[in-house]
Amino acid sequence: EMKLVESGGGLVKPGGSLRLSCVGSGYSFSDYSMNWVRQVPGKGLEWVSFISSSGSYIYYADSVKGRFTISRDNAKNSLSLQMNNLRAEDTALYYCTKTAVIGSAGDDPWGQGTLVTVSS
Amino acid sequence: EIVLTQSPATLSLSPGERASLSCRASQSVTIFLAWYQQKPGQAPRLLIYDASNRATGVPGRFSATGTGTDFTLTISSLEPEDFAVYYCQQRSSWPSTFGGGTKVEIK
Repeated sequence: EMKLVESGGGLVKPGGSLRLSCVGSGYSFSDYSMNWVRQVPGKGLEWVSFISSSGSYIYYADSVKGRFTISRDNAKNSLSLQMNNLRAEDTALYYCTKTAVIGSAGDDPWGQGTLVTVSS
Repeated sequence: EIVLTQSPATLSLSPGERASLSCRASQSVTIFLAWYQQKPGQAPRLLIYDASNRATGVPGRFSATGTGTDFTLTISSLEPEDFAVYYCQQRSSWPSTFGGGTKVEIK
């Protein structure tokens, strides 16, 4: 069974930093691109960042560009999101996702999410 | 940025009825569109990838069509577990974007 497990969420003050992690299991982690997607509780989904299987291609939403950094360690089946200069509007549940089929549009599975709260 | 517009925002139907959900893109996404189902307290679940391909384990009552800018997700006969929020997502160009969602509720 493919599984993604996120960690690292918590309460942080505006301007602070947080590092989210995601560990994949049940599949060949290094073969698939990965994403971070966030959701304010009760609201819609917002794509945050993408990293290709090798880490060569990286993209960000404009709302986080210059503040967030995505990375991966294929030897450890691990994905990370370094979040700096956090703002109140970054408060959300952050999901780690895997591209379902190489080269396709669609992510499966999704992790259970880790909650980030930015508040003074 | 490609904007995805989902309609209707809410669909009120009874079990057994047919549901048709629309996702319209502000510019062509060719076939690089996915559909997800999300139930309260759960992560989204992939239903359809590349516009019309059912994901593993997705029941046959879910089907999807479309290419370019107009896409439709159809649930042929609603089961009680299908009442949820449905999102479309494009990955034709960066940034990837989601539609605002359609809530399918019990009438």
